[in-house]
Amino acid sequence: KNQVEQSPQSLIILEGKNCTLQCNYTVSPFSNLRWYKQDTGRGPVSLTIMTFSENTKSNGRYTATLDADTKQSSLHITASQLSDSASYICVVSGSGGGADGLTFGKGTHLIIQP
Amino acid sequence: DAGVIQSPRHEVTEMGQEVTLRCKPISGHDYLFWYRQTMMRGLELLIYFNNNVPIDDSGMPEDRFSAKMPNASFSTLKIQPSEPRDSAVYFCASGDGRGRETQYFGPGTRLLVL
Repeated sequence: KNQVEQSPQSLIILEGKNCTLQCNYTVSPFSNLRWYKQDTGRGPVSLTIMTFSENTKSNGRYTATLDADTKQSSLHITASQLSDSASYICVVSGSGGGADGLTFGKGTHLIIQP
Repeated sequence: DAGVIQSPRHEVTEMGQEVTLRCKPISGHDYLFWYRQTMMRGLELLIYFNNNVPIDDSGMPEDRFSAKMPNASFSTLKIQPSEPRDSAVYFCASGDGRGRETQYFGPGTRLLVL
């Protein structure tokens, strides 16, 4: 069964610190992996999309990595800001690469404290 | 562009009533997705359309749920009759490229069935 597991479930860090969120998946065949940021009360917003051949992609202070061999991805946030407080959702797309076979993680709830 | 528009933003209804959620996708996007999000199950894809045609409705929980897309600028998700376990946040998202690229989410409709 295709699964996406995210860790930790929740995380609290001080403003200015770095943090790394993890995503492990068992989706096969693999097409792409996306990270979304979801602010409280709002819809998810895409941060990065990575295909099989990409092992790192950045979006400002967000850097996602992908190891397709071990089926692991991480999202690293550098110099965290209060606005980074949100849930971060990992989504893996299977065969076809599109909406078919999308498997969602339950997210990591990140809180940045001043 | 105003982004994906959903209405209503909040809906409170009683068990057994019909509920209709509405979505206006971003102009030019040929894919439209309906999601449901709960604390227990996270984000789930219910159904998606391509060029107004339903492609995959395997995520629709049961026959009480139905979705239509009569034209490229409007879609509805209907629940009839509603039940308390349908309480969730329902998101509409639109995109292009068969969902391979970024999906843009609306603000969601928060549904409470009493």
